[in-house]
Formats: sequence, C-alpha cells, structure tokens
Amino acid sequence: GENVEQHPSTLSVQEGDSAVIKCTYSDSASNYFPWYKQELGKGPQLIIDIRSNVGEKKDQRIAVTLNKTAKHFSLHITETQPEDSAVYFCAVGGGSQGNLIFGKGTKLSVKP
Amino acid sequence: DAMVIQNPRYQVTQFGKPVTLSCSQTLNHNVMYWYQQKSSQAPKLLFHYYDKDFNNEADTPDNFQSRRPNTSFCFLDIRSPGLGDAAMYLCATSAVYNQPQHFGDGTRLSIL
Repeated sequence: GENVEQHPSTLSVQEGDSAVIKCTYSDSASNYFPWYKQELGKGPQLIIDIRSNVGEKKDQRIAVTLNKTAKHFSLHITETQPEDSAVYFCAVGGGSQGNLIFGKGTKLSVKP
Repeated sequence: DAMVIQNPRYQVTQFGKPVTLSCSQTLNHNVMYWYQQKSSQAPKLLFHYYDKDFNNEADTPDNFQSRRPNTSFCFLDIRSPGLGDAAMYLCATSAVYNQPQHFGDGTRLSIL
C-alpha cells in the first residue's frame, strides 16, 4: 500500500523567515496531494492542494511543489507569522487505496 | 458558518459503557469519514460511507461501529470503550473521493 513520509517532525523558525516541509510517497498512481493545518483543539483545515497534472501551486504566502518523477512534494510558507504556528499534515490520495493517507505531521513554531 | 459539526466537543464515559458520537454536515457531500487521532499522531481512518455504502478499514476493531441514517448525519458507536480508545475523534466529508476533505473540530473522548 501507499507509504507517506513527512519531514521534519518539528520546525522552528523566526518570524519573517520561510518554512519548508517535505513529503515523499510510494504509489506512482497517487494523484492528489493536499496539505492540512491543525491548530490545538481543532480539526485539520485544508490550506492548499495540488493534483498530479500541475507542478506548482501558490496561494498568497503558501505554495506547494510536486515532483512526480521523484515522488515528493513540498509545502513552502514565506514571511512566516506567529499565527502560522500549528501542526501541518501532508496527505496523498488517488492511488490504489482510495482514501487519503496522511503523513505523521510537522509541528511548526514561529518565534516572534 | 460551521459546515461539519461534531457533538459533543468533549465526552467522558466509563470503561465498558457504550458511547455514541455524532457528526452532521451542511455540505450535502456524498462521503463521510471517521478518523481517530491520538496525541501527536496523524488522523487514522476508521471507516467511511460513500452515500449508504459502508467501507471499513481492515484494522478497525469490531468495537467500533457506524451508522448513517441520512445524507446529513453520521454516528460513531463504541460498544465497549477501553482505556486505549481515549482519543480525538474527527469526522470529515468530501463531495466524492479525492476531493478536499472538510473536517469538524472533533470530539475528545475520555475513558474513566
């Protein structure tokens, strides 16, 4: 089945710096790659997603890049702010499993 | 405008006493999912409904059951909760497979 690995598990940056979180997957049939942000005591919230026919997608300070050949995708957050502090999960869908497979999460801390 | 609503937000039950968690949605989505999330871990899919079709994950214990009486509502029943079932339970919906999943804010279940 699909295997999703996410790195790093924790990330600490200074306000205004950029943050990058990377995920790799194993099933070449996978074609849907969302990123979720989870704040303490809340459910995961979709922040951006990308499909396999696109290499990059941007939404204001957030961008996702996808390398299908290498089977990895990354979340880029620029000009980080303290409110970006949360746990971020990548996920993979569209492969043989039929549902989303989540990475183990990255705890991002943005220091003022 | 809450789109996926979970009740209650916090639930305390006794060891072995059946408990039901509820989820409702205003999105008219076909798919409803139940996830279990333990501290510092990724959400783990328990089962999902595509319309009226129930799909159980292979490693979901028999102790966990689900009902979907109509499009808007879905219930998670834990027949005999054990201490290991203490967790956050998340409900999510999507229009169809491999579309964005919308999560509720979860029910935190404690077992005494």
